[in-house]
Amino acid sequence: GDSVTQMEGPVTLSEEAFLTINCTYTATGYPSLFWYVQYPGEGLQLLLKATKADDKGSNKGFEATYRKETTSFHLEKGSVQVSDSAVYFCALSSGGYQKVTFGIGTKLQVIP
Amino acid sequence: SAVISQKPSRDICQRGTSLTIQCQVDSQVTMMFWYRQQPGQSLTLIATANQGSEATYESGFVIDKFPISRPNLTFSTLTVSNMSPEDSSIYLCSVVYRQGTDTQYFGPGTRLTVL
Repeated sequence: GDSVTQMEGPVTLSEEAFLTINCTYTATGYPSLFWYVQYPGEGLQLLLKATKADDKGSNKGFEATYRKETTSFHLEKGSVQVSDSAVYFCALSSGGYQKVTFGIGTKLQVIP
Repeated sequence: SAVISQKPSRDICQRGTSLTIQCQVDSQVTMMFWYRQQPGQSLTLIATANQGSEATYESGFVIDKFPISRPNLTFSTLTVSNMSPEDSSIYLCSVVYRQGTDTQYFGPGTRLTVL
């Protein structure tokens, strides 16, 4: 079945540091890939998405590239802020059923 | 994207009781889903809420424990029945707006604590 493997957290960075959160996946066919963010005490917000190989999703300074050859969708940001502190979930959707498979989530803490 | 709301936002309940959670969208959507997020965990799909018919449950979830209704294209409810402390979780609804798309948008969640 489909699966998403995400790096374990928590990740602690200083403000303005470079962020990478690794995500790899296993799926049949050609899944769509997503990053969701969950701020403390809130629901999930869609951060970015990519629907086919070599697509780059970007939003709020975050970006991720759909790499079919390495089955990866790593999240990056060049300079993190304290306000980026949250839990980040990598996810995929495949097949007509539209079922989404989530990774375990990576908690990011950015310190001033 | 439209606005998705959930009621209640949080509740504290006694074991053995039931709680009904509402999910309201301010525009018609094709698909609605219910998820559970246990403390410190990822999201687990409970079921797909089907309009006018019985929900489609994932393995490990049953209708007697989690009855779901979806009377129209903008509203759904999830009931957590005969609660125990193990049901303490965040419950989230999500929607897909258009047929043929696969992006799910989430409500703010309902934080449930069972004593």
